[in-house]
Amino acid sequence: KAGVTQTPRYLIKTRGQQVTLSCSPISGHRSVSWYQQTPGQGLQFLFEYFSETQRNKGNFPGRFSGRQFSNSRSEMNVSTLELGDSALYLCASLRGGQQYFGPGTRLTVL
Amino acid sequence: EDKVVQSPLSLVVHEGDTVTLNCSYEVTNFRSLLWYKQEKKAPTFLFMLTSSGIEKKSGRLSSILDKKELFSILNITATQTGDSAIYLCAVQETYSGAGSYQLTFGKGTKLSVIP
Repeated sequence: KAGVTQTPRYLIKTRGQQVTLSCSPISGHRSVSWYQQTPGQGLQFLFEYFSETQRNKGNFPGRFSGRQFSNSRSEMNVSTLELGDSALYLCASLRGGQQYFGPGTRLTVL
Repeated sequence: EDKVVQSPLSLVVHEGDTVTLNCSYEVTNFRSLLWYKQEKKAPTFLFMLTSSGIEKKSGRLSSILDKKELFSILNITATQTGDSAIYLCAVQETYSGAGSYQLTFGKGTKLSVIP
């Protein structure tokens, strides 16, 4: 069974731009979560989707948004990028209480 | 204030040593505690613990949960250089109604195993 896939794997943007990251969960998994990982803050929860509905949201500004499609694929968007948004963005596919992480998208904001 | 605290933050051991990693937590509606290993990119799942006192084992790794004292330990015996990684502890809480599986992570323990 293929794992969680995330695209792109690496991204470089400049301040003020916006970015869209994509995540495809493991086949048959309907729940997707997003996390931001930085050296200072560690892994922090962004949001969780189940059957196209946002089930929970972390403590991030409104510049961070997401959605889930009917095929369970999910996207997250960050608008008006700031230097502090540079991070590894991880997507996780959930089943049976266990979360399986994708390889992440490394975002660098210059 | 951090809800999940791991210690030590970093650890250097020699191959063959046994290590114990600690994770304490303070959450309102505990559902489960999970351990992950992160080498390069994606954290890989190790254990999920929901009940106190029941040890979970996988090869040289084992983990146990104490829900009364609110902590868990991860043991690695006969360490190898391939065990070098960041070990992450995370707690899932029960959110009434929403059914969310949000994980709250500790900062991790960086383990370095030298030959």
